[in-house]
Amino acid sequence: GAGVSQSPSNKVTEKGKDVELRCDPISGHTALYWYRQSLGQGLEFLIYFQGNSAPDKSGLPSDRFSAERTGGSVSTLTIQRTQQEDSAVYLCASSLALRPSTDTQYFGPGTRLTVL
Amino acid sequence: RKEVEQDPGPFNVPEGATVAFNCTYSNSASQSFFWYRQDCRKEPKLLMSVYSSGNEDGRFTAQLNRASQYISLLIRDSKLSDSATYLCAMSSGLTGNQFYFGTGTSLTVIP
Repeated sequence: GAGVSQSPSNKVTEKGKDVELRCDPISGHTALYWYRQSLGQGLEFLIYFQGNSAPDKSGLPSDRFSAERTGGSVSTLTIQRTQQEDSAVYLCASSLALRPSTDTQYFGPGTRLTVL
Repeated sequence: RKEVEQDPGPFNVPEGATVAFNCTYSNSASQSFFWYRQDCRKEPKLLMSVYSSGNEDGRFTAQLNRASQYISLLIRDSKLSDSATYLCAMSSGLTGNQFYFGTGTSLTVIP
């Protein structure tokens, strides 16, 4: 079946602009994660959605970052007033959420964000 | 201090060699542990979970040492196709949904 998809695959923006990144999880997966991966860095946890529960936003680096998940499916990650240090690959993952700590996460191909 | 520390390598080994990677973690309450494989400019894919008693999947063996707070991955009889970056990961948080990843260890298997 279809895997996790993300769009756009690449985004180049100017400093100070807002960007929206989209994630379509695997159908039936109720858990959704956003991560970012900078050059030479590991994946940095940003936010976690599980069904209708309040999201775990503890990983968001600043209030310029926000995310929504509408209808328990598609999610958008918004970065306002982008800064150069926001340049990274933003990865989305989904899982069945039967047991979050052990579920296999399936990653999308990522969005490569470059802030000029 | 980072949640997860991982030697970035690179590891360059000949085909057929055995190679081992370690990751140390700082949160003793970490619940579950994993190894992911990430090919160049691709997304990470789960290689294997790491169980307390250690586990094996073909040429790959994963071990967990809770007392010393590290996990390891052993690859035997390395193949050219094993060349990739290997990321360790662990979950923590109240529901175990917070995942922390290492920076990855780069492996190149040389013919």
